[in-house]
Amino acid sequence: GAVVSQHPSWVICKSGTSVKIECRSLDFQATTMFWYRQFPKQSLMLMATSNEGSKATYEQGVEKDKFLINHASLTLSTLTVTSAHPEDSSFYICSASLMWGYTFGSGTRLTVV
Amino acid sequence: QQQVKQSPQSLIVQKGGISIINCAYENTAFDYFPWYQQFPGKGPALLIAIRPDVSEKKEGRFTISFNKSAKQFSLHIMDSQPGDSATYFCAASKNSGAGSYQLTFGKGTKLSVIP
Repeated sequence: GAVVSQHPSWVICKSGTSVKIECRSLDFQATTMFWYRQFPKQSLMLMATSNEGSKATYEQGVEKDKFLINHASLTLSTLTVTSAHPEDSSFYICSASLMWGYTFGSGTRLTVV
Repeated sequence: QQQVKQSPQSLIVQKGGISIINCAYENTAFDYFPWYQQFPGKGPALLIAIRPDVSEKKEGRFTISFNKSAKQFSLHIMDSQPGDSATYFCAASKNSGAGSYQLTFGKGTKLSVIP
């Protein structure tokens, strides 16, 4: 149980376009979800915390107008990378908070060309 | 300020040996300490977790040792196998994440188990 389904698993987009990444909780309701970014051979960096029905809380240095997070329902949170640039290429991972811990999505490899 | 320090950065162990990864934390409010295993191109998967009311937890070949006074915890992988080759992250949070507390991750340890 407690599975988070993340899509797409990889995406290539042109510079200047926007990309949406979805995370769905399949068998539970996710009041809180976290979005991370991971560069090669590095740890996970928290980008933002999203709570269902309210605005996301962004970590220092993360542009909220560039990384739009929507958590409109208890089973779906989305991250939209707007006007993507090559430096936005990274591995993005979502996570949901549960009573006993956390569960992670499988990640999305974004490549901006 | 790095709140969870992890070492070593990389580790090479022979098949059948014991892999040991160490972490130290600073925030005494942390009360949940999970270890995650991550394979390339995949999200982290929970391996084992411990809370500070116990000093050791074992699940199969994986054991967490926890030293509350030293603010340290470690992962031991017994009888290491090539399939264990992955990156391991320690982490910590308050209240198991309930109430929107985020995980703080260590920098990771790349484990390579050689035949």
